[in-house]
Amino acid sequence: EVQLVESGGGLVQPGGSLRLSCAASGFTFSGCSMNWVRQAPGRGLEWLSVISPDSNYIYYGDSVKGRFTISRDNAKNSLYLQMNSLRAEDTAVYYCVRDGSGWSRDLWGQGTLVTVSP
Amino acid sequence: QSALTQPPSASGSPGQSVTISCTGTNSDVGSYNYVSWYQQYPGKAPKLMIYEVTKRPSGVPDRFSGSKSGNTASLTVSGLQAEDEADYHCSSYAGNNNLLFGGGTKLTVL
Repeated sequence: EVQLVESGGGLVQPGGSLRLSCAASGFTFSGCSMNWVRQAPGRGLEWLSVISPDSNYIYYGDSVKGRFTISRDNAKNSLYLQMNSLRAEDTAVYYCVRDGSGWSRDLWGQGTLVTVSP
Repeated sequence: QSALTQPPSASGSPGQSVTISCTGTNSDVGSYNYVSWYQQYPGKAPKLMIYEVTKRPSGVPDRFSGSKSGNTASLTVSGLQAEDEADYHCSSYAGNNNLLFGGGTKLTVL
């Protein structure tokens, strides 16, 4: 089955760190660019970051640049997001997402909830 | 860059057509044919419905169609069905390897 499964979310204090993981299966992970997208409670989607298949190209949205780091391990079919200096406004469901055609995002995980609170 | 602008809500009766707008600028929607639309049920992950303005992924009913005029993209759902009640999000490439989303529109089938 083609799927993405996120893990690593939870409750963290402001200023803290968290590492999210995403396990991919059912497709050739090493051939796909991968993303993280988040959705704050009751809000719209926000694109965070993309990484190319060989990790040579990495881009971030302005809201997380310098605080979050995307990485991948093709041997383990896994995607990661290291989140540092977390703020209350980072509270959201974080989705692992596969690149599709024309800057679309064609496969989404079920999401993992990150809550930043004292 | 600001998020794309969508109406918070839209509605229609079964069998009718409804159109949801997504307004950007000439730096994103107006400059690139890279607009996508996603359907999201409560508590579930988004699902790609339209990409590159007008294209439908395999398995998406042809009741869903996309278009664009200037800085505004639109998603039209024809022959509304109860199962179409969901949130719909648009996205657009915004240059410089940046992707913008809209705030989402809640579609209600009356």
